Amino acid sequence: QLQLQESGPGLVKPSETLSVTCTVSGDSISSSSYYWGWIRQPPGKGLEWIVSVYYSGNTFYNASLKSRVIISVDTSKNQFSLRLSSVTAADTAVYYCARHPPWGPFYWGQGTLATVSS
Amino acid sequence: EIVMTQSPATLSVSPGERATLSCRASQSVSTNLAWYQQKPGQAPRLLIYGASTRATGFPARFSGSGSGTEFTLTISSLQSEDFAVYYCHQYNSWPLTFGGGTKVEIK
Repeated sequence: QLQLQESGPGLVKPSETLSVTCTVSGDSISSSSYYWGWIRQPPGKGLEWIVSVYYSGNTFYNASLKSRVIISVDTSKNQFSLRLSSVTAADTAVYYCARHPPWGPFYWGQGTLATVSS
Repeated sequence: EIVMTQSPATLSVSPGERATLSCRASQSVSTNLAWYQQKPGQAPRLLIYGASTRATGFPARFSGSGSGTEFTLTISSLQSEDFAVYYCHQYNSWPLTFGGGTKVEIK
């Protein structure tokens, strides 16, 4: 059974880089024909897709965040990670990792809250 | 970018009544549309995909319809566990986008 588990520091200072990691079990990031992505949800607000990377490495970004986003994949640990630079309070959100097929819906992790505050 | 617009923002319904939620796309997404249910403190959970296929674990009182730009989620007889926020999501083209959500609350 597929499980996605996010982890992160919880608290990040303004202007610094937010890093969150998703550990995948029940599937292999490198061998399955899926996208692995990140979505966020500010407290009390809606959902915003951030980025998705295909198992082959092809990557798609939300244009509004692209300049600050790096997504990386560690196949040896079956993990993928999001780095969001130059954060502000507006980046405070629950960050969800997800798996989705090409032209298919998301399968979600449980999410991790990242708060930007000094 | 395809803009997804959900209405109403809040729907007040009595248990046992029917709820109808709408989702409109700014351009055609064919049937590449999903609905998610989100309860407080939980991750969204896939409810409907392909505009009308119910995901595993959801009862038949949930149904989805539509294609192109107009979609509907219907809950035929609301149960207490159905009060939640519902989001539509298009996966027809990049960037992937969501509607703003409809909160179904107890009347």
